[in-house]
Amino acid sequence: GDSVTQMEGPVTLSEEACLTINCTYTATGYPSLFWYVQYPGEGLQLLLKATKADDKGSNKGFEATYRKETTSFHLEKGSVQVSDSAVYFCALTGGSQGNLIFGKGTKLSVKP
Amino acid sequence: EAQVTQNPRYLITVTGKKLTVTCSQNMNHEYMSWYRQDPGLGLRQIYYSMNVEVTDKGDVPEGYKVSRKEKRNFPLILESPSPNQTSLYFCASSPPFRGGPETQYFGPGTRLLVL
Repeated sequence: GDSVTQMEGPVTLSEEACLTINCTYTATGYPSLFWYVQYPGEGLQLLLKATKADDKGSNKGFEATYRKETTSFHLEKGSVQVSDSAVYFCALTGGSQGNLIFGKGTKLSVKP
Repeated sequence: EAQVTQNPRYLITVTGKKLTVTCSQNMNHEYMSWYRQDPGLGLRQIYYSMNVEVTDKGDVPEGYKVSRKEKRNFPLILESPSPNQTSLYFCASSPPFRGGPETQYFGPGTRLLVL
């Protein structure tokens, strides 16, 4: 079945460092791809998405490009802030009903 | 304000005592879903509903029930909770898109402890 694999955390960075969180997927058909973020004590919220190959999603300085040839959707940010500390989930829409399938999440901690 | 609400936010109960976690959304979304989040496992879907009176099992439905009598509400029922249902639960909703859900909006979560 469809699945998402993302790098295990935790990831600890200093403020202003570059961030990459790897995400690869397995899917039949052409899923939409998402990154959701979960700040401490809160529910998930959509960070960015891409609906077809070569699309780039971006928001709040984060970017991810839908790469069909490598089945990847890596999350990147050029300069992280302490406020970016959160758990990041890669996800895709899969199955006949288009339900979201999540990766296991990557915890990011940014130190001042 | 557009939102998904869940109640209660925190619950401690004992094995076998029936409980219900409510979920309500005010965005007129057709699709609603329940997930549980466990360390090292990410989010796993319990049940989902494509519309009123239409529900279906997700990946981990055992021990749970749901109902969808109204569009805005999607309660999660644990008829006889067990300790392995201790978890963080999220409700989510979404408008339909291309026959399946796209962006989902999540509630704040319900942390359940079953003793």
